[in-house]
Amino acid sequence: DQQVKQNSPSLSVQEGRISILNCDYTNSMFDYFLWYKKYPAEGPTFLISISSIKDKNEDGRFTVFLNKSAKHLSLHIVPSQPGDSAVYFCAASASTTGTASKLTFGTGTRLQVTL
Amino acid sequence: DAGITQSPRYKITETGRQVTLMCHQTWSHSYMFWYRQDLGHGLRLIYYSAAADITDKGEVPDGYVVSRSKTENFPLTLESATRSQTSVYFCASTDYYGYTFGSGTRLTVV
Repeated sequence: DQQVKQNSPSLSVQEGRISILNCDYTNSMFDYFLWYKKYPAEGPTFLISISSIKDKNEDGRFTVFLNKSAKHLSLHIVPSQPGDSAVYFCAASASTTGTASKLTFGTGTRLQVTL
Repeated sequence: DAGITQSPRYKITETGRQVTLMCHQTWSHSYMFWYRQDLGHGLRLIYYSAAADITDKGEVPDGYVVSRSKTENFPLTLESATRSQTSVYFCASTDYYGYTFGSGTRLTVV
C-alpha cells in the first residue's frame, strides 16, 4: 500500500525550462511534506518543505505547491540547470502519529536536465 | 567531523551470514532511522528510534534487528542475510523534521 506515489519514474527537461515533479498521497492524516534530492552514491538531501496550512512555499528556484483537496503536491524548478539532474523523492509526515518525524517516502522521480 | 556517518560503504556477504551496518551521528539528535532503497520502492523504513533504548518497527522490519544503547549510534543487524536484503541502506537522524542522511551502505548478499 503505497501511501505516497510518484507516478513518473523519470523526466527529461531542457536547461532553462521548467521542471515539474508530481506527488500524490492517500493518507489524509499527512500534514507536512518534503522534497529530497539524491545524487548517485550519496544520501538524500533536504530540498524544500511545506506545511498543510500553506498551499505554496518558495525557496529560490524551487517552489512546492500543495493541493490538499486533491491530495497532490508538485515541485517546480525554474529555471532548470544541469546540476539539478538527480532523483527527487517526495515525503510526507503525520504529526498526529505521535512520532512526528516518521516520514513516508515516494518511489522517486529521476530528473535529467539536458543542454 | 560533525555529521552522520555510515560504515562500511560497500559490503558483500554470503547468504546466512550475520552482518551489521553501523551508523553514527554527532548532533545528539533524538530520532534515528534506517531505510532501504530499492528500485520501484523508493525509500522504505526498516526501524526507527526515538531515543536511546527506544526502538520501533517500520514498514519492512523482518530479518533485521536494531539496538540503541547510546544516542549517537544506531547499528542495524541482519541476523541471517538473504538475497532479498541486497539493497542500499541509509541511516538518518533528526531532532524534528528534515532528516539528515548518511551516504549509504551498498550491501550485496550472494
